[in-house]
Amino acid sequence: DAEITQSPRHKITETGRQVTLACHQTWNHNNMFWYRQDLGHGLRLIHYSYGVQDTNKGEVSDGYSVSRSNTEDLPLTLESAASSQTSVYFCASSDRLAGVETQYFGPGTRLLVL
Amino acid sequence: KQEVTQIPAALSVPEGENLVLNCSFTDSAIYNLQWFRQDPGKGLTSLLLIQSSQREQTSGRLNASLDKSSGRSTLYIAASQPGDSATYLCAVMGSMLTFGGGTRLMVKP
Repeated sequence: DAEITQSPRHKITETGRQVTLACHQTWNHNNMFWYRQDLGHGLRLIHYSYGVQDTNKGEVSDGYSVSRSNTEDLPLTLESAASSQTSVYFCASSDRLAGVETQYFGPGTRLLVL
Repeated sequence: KQEVTQIPAALSVPEGENLVLNCSFTDSAIYNLQWFRQDPGKGLTSLLLIQSSQREQTSGRLNASLDKSSGRSTLYIAASQPGDSATYLCAVMGSMLTFGGGTRLMVKP
């Protein structure tokens, strides 16, 4: 069955370190997204991609980067982790059927920055 | 900038009750609205999607309505069960998907 996976599921790191969160989907979707979820803010869009070599900034992109070298993967990198980046991170991919876009979400990565 | 608000933030009801969750949004120029369910420590599962031209969608005990002109949607859950306990999120699709803060629902046996 097609799916979307994230790794690691839990990560503890220190401020200033570079961290990369992996996202892999086997749906063969062109569109992929990264969100963070914080209490009181719901899910907020960090970066998104509409295809290989395409990346775009979302609402809260400062301090994060992504790259898209193939259809299946969209890794999220925190260049220099900050305590404000402690959050739960969700990856999603989407397709469009009959003009309707539906996003499918991964299980999330819980990141703690000390 | 689109803003999505969900009221109440938390709700506790006894099993068997019918209940309504509310979602409001500020910009009516949307393509669709989705309701998601999120269980603790898990990802999001899509429950219902209403296109901007539709008024409602139904799936089992769930019914979602959309009033685009007033910027409101409701999710109606009939005959609630303890297994319905979860956080329910609404999200509107404009230039991007914008989420509300969610309603945490507890259904007590």
